[in-house]
Amino acid sequence: GAVVSQHPSWVICKSGTSVKIECRSLDFQATTMFWYRQFPKQSLMLMATSNEGSKATYEQGVEKDKFLINHASLTLSTLTVTSAHPEDSSFYICSASRGSLYEQYFGPGTRLTVT
Amino acid sequence: TQLLEQSPQFLSIQEGENLTVYCNSSSVFSSLQWYRQEPGEGPVLLVTVVTGGEVKKLKRLTFQFGDARKDSSLHITAAQPGDTGLYLCAGDNAGKSTFGDGTTLTVKP
Repeated sequence: GAVVSQHPSWVICKSGTSVKIECRSLDFQATTMFWYRQFPKQSLMLMATSNEGSKATYEQGVEKDKFLINHASLTLSTLTVTSAHPEDSSFYICSASRGSLYEQYFGPGTRLTVT
Repeated sequence: TQLLEQSPQFLSIQEGENLTVYCNSSSVFSSLQWYRQEPGEGPVLLVTVVTGGEVKKLKRLTFQFGDARKDSSLHITAAQPGDTGLYLCAGDNAGKSTFGDGTTLTVKP
């Protein structure tokens, strides 16, 4: 159990457009979902934490108006990168926890390339 | 700010060798997790340690949590090419996880 999916797995978009990434917990209800960004050969950088039905908590330095997070249900969270620019190109990974906040189950990631 | 330092940052060894990866902090954690991540994929949870001094084994992998719950180690015996990946430790305190910088392990056949 504890499977998390992400869609799309990769996306290429033009500068100035918006991109939505979905994160779903397939076989459990996720009390909390996390969004991370990862650069090549580096660790995970937490962007925001979201709980179902409430506003996401963004980490310092992350623009909440640029990275819109919606956690509409216990199995779905979305990250929308608005007005994307080439510097937003990265590997975005979501994770979900089920009660015990410390154990996170990660999605397979989404590779975003902005041209 | 809670920091987790992992060492070494990069490790390249031959198949069959043993290795240890360290995860150190000056902060006390309620629990600590180890993850392995392969290129282009999300991290996969390997183990959670909770009690100071706790040792957990997962086949050829041995995880230890320090007595003071500030550090942890991962020991791999007889490494195999399939062990290649990015190993991440994450410490939890007050419901927030802090990730280490990771150790990139390459096991050559």
